Amino acid sequence: DAKTTQPPSMDCAEGRAANLPCNHSTISGNEYVYWYRQIHSQGPQYIIHGLKNNETNEMASLIITEDRKSSTLILPHATLRDTAVYYCIVRVVGNQFYFGTGTSLTVIP
Amino acid sequence: DTGVSQNPRHKITKRGQNVTFRCDPISEHNRLYWYRQTLGQGPEFLTYFQNEAQLEKSRLLSDRFSAERPKGSFSTLEIQRTEQGDSAMYLCASSRGGILSTDTQYFGPGTRLTVL
Repeated sequence: DAKTTQPPSMDCAEGRAANLPCNHSTISGNEYVYWYRQIHSQGPQYIIHGLKNNETNEMASLIITEDRKSSTLILPHATLRDTAVYYCIVRVVGNQFYFGTGTSLTVIP
Repeated sequence: DTGVSQNPRHKITKRGQNVTFRCDPISEHNRLYWYRQTLGQGPEFLTYFQNEAQLEKSRLLSDRFSAERPKGSFSTLEIQRTEQGDSAMYLCASSRGGILSTDTQYFGPGTRLTVL
């Protein structure tokens, strides 16, 4: 599975949109992009995933570039409860998840 | 759908003792995964079951570790002769695998092991 690169940390003001980038320049055609987050001392929480098209659900939006070499997770109105480590993972369906160290997002009041 | 549950949530043991953790997956999920997470790192894959069959094991899973899923429902992870380096959060996840599934994994809250 392709590797991903994420910034180690980011800050976001409460109520503003949080845009978390992820580079996956070696992604292959059958690899999906998944996003999870982990709040301190809890298990990872599934957020969203996509293959080619942009995706939106009740938690977030996922924007995947046309060449699929990068993506952005958007939390439209960040709250203090969104403070967490966010993991971007690319994976062929059926393979294991390989987590990196993710992006530590801090939402500031 | 009550989510993935894990017991116990915390375990403190002395070096050399055996410990066993249990994971109850989301009902009707045929795949079950175990991960280990140490401080400051992302979760690392340990092993994976499809129904009752253990299909893959990581090199991280030494011979002191054994996992079972006897009836294709709950799973246990046993660590024999624990070492201080085994101190970590042990996470379980489950998914519904299949031809039309994207096999999204849902995680439990984890069991935090401390070996003294």
